[in-house]
Amino acid sequence: TQLLEQSPQFLSIQEGENLTVYCNSSSVFSSLQWYRQEPGEGPVLLVTVVTGGEVKKLKRLTFQFGDARKDSSLHITAAQPGDTGLYLCAGTQGGSEKLVFGKGMKLTVNP
Amino acid sequence: NAGVTQTPKFQVLKTGQSMTLQCAQDMNHEYMSWYRQDPGMGLRLIHYSVGAGITDQGEVPNGYNVSRSTTEDFPLRLLSAAPSQTSVYFCASSPTRNQGSGYTFGSGTRLTVV
Repeated sequence: TQLLEQSPQFLSIQEGENLTVYCNSSSVFSSLQWYRQEPGEGPVLLVTVVTGGEVKKLKRLTFQFGDARKDSSLHITAAQPGDTGLYLCAGTQGGSEKLVFGKGMKLTVNP
Repeated sequence: NAGVTQTPKFQVLKTGQSMTLQCAQDMNHEYMSWYRQDPGMGLRLIHYSVGAGITDQGEVPNGYNVSRSTTEDFPLRLLSAAPSQTSVYFCASSPTRNQGSGYTFGSGTRLTVV
């Protein structure tokens, strides 16, 4: 059973388009993290959200944590080819140190 | 600042062989963990440690052993390699048990078991 479900799993878009990636669960998380991974490399942390309803912006990326802390979204404005990669959401629950991952969303931005 | 260093980057093993994947971090992080990444499966937690001398199992611990004798090092041992252990292995660390800290990942070890 996958604790964190990401959608869509694959997305291929043209440069300049906007997109939203969703990370959903039936469970409450104490924190949600988003990572980006390029081929042959390890995931790199983009952002951590810990408060329900929290919104964080990182240049053209906007991250939101759901009010009930069960879901999160990542919105990319005016996507660029450099945004191509695997986007992973991950979360921790309660007092646990364990970080569980969704399966990821593979994004391709075509010039 | 090297971050998280994993060695080797690539390894081919024969079924039944044992080996140790090395992981070292120079950030004085308390928390370290090992994941495996397989196509369509995402990252799955193998073992983790909240500090020197303390380890615990993750989702998929069978066939792997870990120990944490120092803060810096967290090796992963494959006891008797099987083809099902063909995967990319990532080590990660985090500064504290504060869940908002985020994790730093190594660049991975690509293991093939034939």
